Amino acid sequence: GDSVTQMEGPVTLSEEAFLTINCTYTATGYPSLFWYVQYPGEGLQLLLKATKADDKGSNKGFEATYRKETTSFHLEKGSVQVSDSAVYFCARLSGGYNKLIFGAGTRLAVHP
Amino acid sequence: DAGVIQSPRHEVTEMGQEVTLRCKPISGHDYLFWYRQTMMRGLELLIYFNNNVPIDDSGMPEDRFSAKMPNASFSTLKIQPSEPRDSAVYFCASSNRDRGRGGAGELFFGEGSRLTVL
Repeated sequence: GDSVTQMEGPVTLSEEAFLTINCTYTATGYPSLFWYVQYPGEGLQLLLKATKADDKGSNKGFEATYRKETTSFHLEKGSVQVSDSAVYFCARLSGGYNKLIFGAGTRLAVHP
Repeated sequence: DAGVIQSPRHEVTEMGQEVTLRCKPISGHDYLFWYRQTMMRGLELLIYFNNNVPIDDSGMPEDRFSAKMPNASFSTLKIQPSEPRDSAVYFCASSNRDRGRGGAGELFFGEGSRLTVL
């Protein structure tokens, strides 16, 4: 079935370091792809999305490009901040246009 | 604007007891989703509604789980009887219809209900 695989955490970085969190999806059709972020004690929030191949989603310095050839949607940020510490979830639409399937989540810890 | 509101935020109960979790979606949203989050299984979609009608409940783990949406502003997830393996954070999310492609749009999540079954 449809699924999303993302790199295991935790990822620990120093402030201003470069971030990459890998995400791949099962190639069933051409699903919309998403990154959600979960801060401690809160629900998930949409960070960015891409709806078709070669689209680049971006928000708050984060970027991800929809790569059909590698079925990937890796999350990147050039310079992380302590406030970026959170759990990041990659997700894809499934079951038509309604069901959002999440990866396992990757915890990011940024130290000063 | 008020977001998705869930209650209770925390619940501790004993095995065999009935648990009811509540959700108030964002006003005007057409879709409502119930997710469960655990360390072992991550985020699992349990059930979702469109215009108050259950569309897909294939993620509901077993008959002990039931969900209702009696009106556009309220939904419940009930577990009866509860078991220790039901311990998790349960999230409710709602969304509008995506006007571009149809179907659900961006999901807005509540803060979750943390359930502990002893």
